[in-house]
Amino acid sequence: RKEVEQDPGPFNVPEGATVAFNCTYSNSASQSFFWYRQDCRKEPKLLMSVYSSGNEDGRFTAQLNRASQYISLLIRDSKLSDSATYLCVVNRRSGNQFYFGTGTSLTVIP
Amino acid sequence: DTAVSQTPKYLVTQMGNDKSIKCEQNLGHDTMYWYKQDSKKFLKIMFSYNNKELIINETVPNRFSPKSPDKAHLNLHINSLELGDSAVYFCASSQDLGGRAYGYTFGSGTRLTVV
Repeated sequence: RKEVEQDPGPFNVPEGATVAFNCTYSNSASQSFFWYRQDCRKEPKLLMSVYSSGNEDGRFTAQLNRASQYISLLIRDSKLSDSATYLCVVNRRSGNQFYFGTGTSLTVIP
Repeated sequence: DTAVSQTPKYLVTQMGNDKSIKCEQNLGHDTMYWYKQDSKKFLKIMFSYNNKELIINETVPNRFSPKSPDKAHLNLHINSLELGDSAVYFCASSQDLGGRAYGYTFGSGTRLTVV
């Protein structure tokens, strides 16, 4: 079973829409969680960390459900510039590396 | 100022050749990584170094040899290149071991094509 699983999409949404992505992880010892954004032919860039109590950064909200072993990312009021691939990333409590999901592709349409 | 810089950005080479990719970070981070992103966009770790010491060496053919002359540099040398080595190789660094606290900073990637 993969360490991290994401729905690859694609998600095609109109500007202004709200869109949510989920990601599941297999190892209950996972401790750190992040969402990264990767634009076409570019490097991944940190979007936000995911904290146990959930956290918000502007239009972006991240949540963690340890019992069900999934994290989510909610994007409100989608902009054209939000079009990218969103990567779910986890790290184990005793681990020294990230495990990446394969990413969810988002296209925001005018 | 580029935080994590990789060179070259593009590399096209023939099968059987030997090539190197260089990576440097000016963030003062202690840990550096090499990741490979294949055609399906899956990012998989290859190596990790902490203060010039090898921490992670995943199941990578021994044709791949990392070298860390100091904690700001982590280079990747590849011998006898094969078609299957074609991918994008990303260098990354983190402030803490494993990036648990603050995540990674990635370089812009090296797109390797073996023909």
